[in-house]
Amino acid sequence: QKEVEQDPGPLSVPEGAIVSLNCTYSNSAFQYFMWYRQYSRKGPELLMYTYSSGNKEDGRFTAQVDKSSKYISLFIRDSQPSDSATYLCAMSANAGGTSYGKLTFGQGTILTVHP
Amino acid sequence: NAGVTQTPKFQVLKTGQSMTLQCAQDMNHNSMYWYRQDPGMGLRLIYYSASEGTTDKGEVPNGYNVSRLNKREFSLRLESAAPSQTSVYFCASSDHSGAHTDTQYFGPGTRLTVL
Repeated sequence: QKEVEQDPGPLSVPEGAIVSLNCTYSNSAFQYFMWYRQYSRKGPELLMYTYSSGNKEDGRFTAQVDKSSKYISLFIRDSQPSDSATYLCAMSANAGGTSYGKLTFGQGTILTVHP
Repeated sequence: NAGVTQTPKFQVLKTGQSMTLQCAQDMNHNSMYWYRQDPGMGLRLIYYSASEGTTDKGEVPNGYNVSRLNKREFSLRLESAAPSQTSVYFCASSDHSGAHTDTQYFGPGTRLTVL
């Protein structure tokens, strides 16, 4: 079993829909949770960053972390065609030593928002 | 600032050939990473360098070697390429001194095909 599981999709939604992307994980040491967005033939770029449990909102994007369930989500409101990309969740224990700075990624979910 | 740059962008090798992928960052980051990305597998860490002068194995190091030439540059070498190394390779860097601990910044990638 992988440490981080993410439904690869693909997910296709109409413009304006609310999108929910999810990841589950098994390592209870993870404390830092990130969502990266990757456009076709580009490198991933950081979209959202949260520490421990709770919600964080940035414009149309909301990240949620539930450490008790080992479950994180990214919600996209009023989705736009420009949101079409692969979304990767990533996590870090940041426990110091050799694990410091190392991220564990999910498989990525391919999202298409059609006009 | 250019951020993280990678060369070459594309490469085709024959089985058994060798090559070096180059990566440089101009953000004065301490840590640098090499990942490979394969369909359905997400990003998998090959090697990382927590600081200048140190390198460590990641999840999938077999068949690769790395050199942290200085603080800016981190190269990945394939000594004897195999078809299983056909992939997209990403270099990343991070700085642990900021608010976003473990935030990694990615280069545009190198698309490698081994025939």
